[in-house]
Amino acid sequence: DQQVKQNSPSLSVQEGRISILNCDYTNSMFDYFLWYKKYPAEGPTFLISISSIKDKNEDGRFTVFLNKSAKHLSLHIVPSQPGDSAVYFCAASGNNAGNMLTFGGGTRLMVKP
Amino acid sequence: DSGVTQTPKHLITATGQRVTLRCSPRSGDLSVYWYQQSLDQGLQFLIQYYNGEERAKGNILERFSAQQFPDLHSELNLSSLELGDSALYFCASSVRHNYGYTFGSGTRLTVV
Repeated sequence: DQQVKQNSPSLSVQEGRISILNCDYTNSMFDYFLWYKKYPAEGPTFLISISSIKDKNEDGRFTVFLNKSAKHLSLHIVPSQPGDSAVYFCAASGNNAGNMLTFGGGTRLMVKP
Repeated sequence: DSGVTQTPKHLITATGQRVTLRCSPRSGDLSVYWYQQSLDQGLQFLIQYYNGEERAKGNILERFSAQQFPDLHSELNLSSLELGDSALYFCASSVRHNYGYTFGSGTRLTVV
């Protein structure tokens, strides 16, 4: 039972355009959401996060939107750059012991020059 | 360098064997998490330790075990290995109530 889903395994975008990566979750107990970026041969690195008390968080070119009623979050990258090409994982955390994160399956973003 | 060190980076072993993966967390982090990533799949949570004690358990097989030592480094032991255990194994660490993990670069295990 996948509690966090990223339904698009891949996304291709032209440099300078907006990239939108989507993530859906099923567990209503999740109250904190994160996006991680992963390059080949490296571990995931933290990108941006959002608490359930907010619906938007912005950090430079990256903005995360949270729609609690739809149990949906999205990551917007504007403008997209070739260096953004990577696999993006969304993750969620709830009021569970250990602060464990549940990850989605990832979306491979390719930004074409 | 994320500050989380995993060794070895690559490991090739035969079915039925046993291996140990090692993780040194970032300085000051008390929690260590182990995740498995198979064939471009998502990250599957295996187990977490906090300051030497098991804190949470995920989809970890009985053939797998882990521990965290007094110096806070952790080891993941995989035994009676099967072909399907081939995967990337990531370790991450965090301060107790910090929701952000710092990941190591992973150990790629290949079982032949």
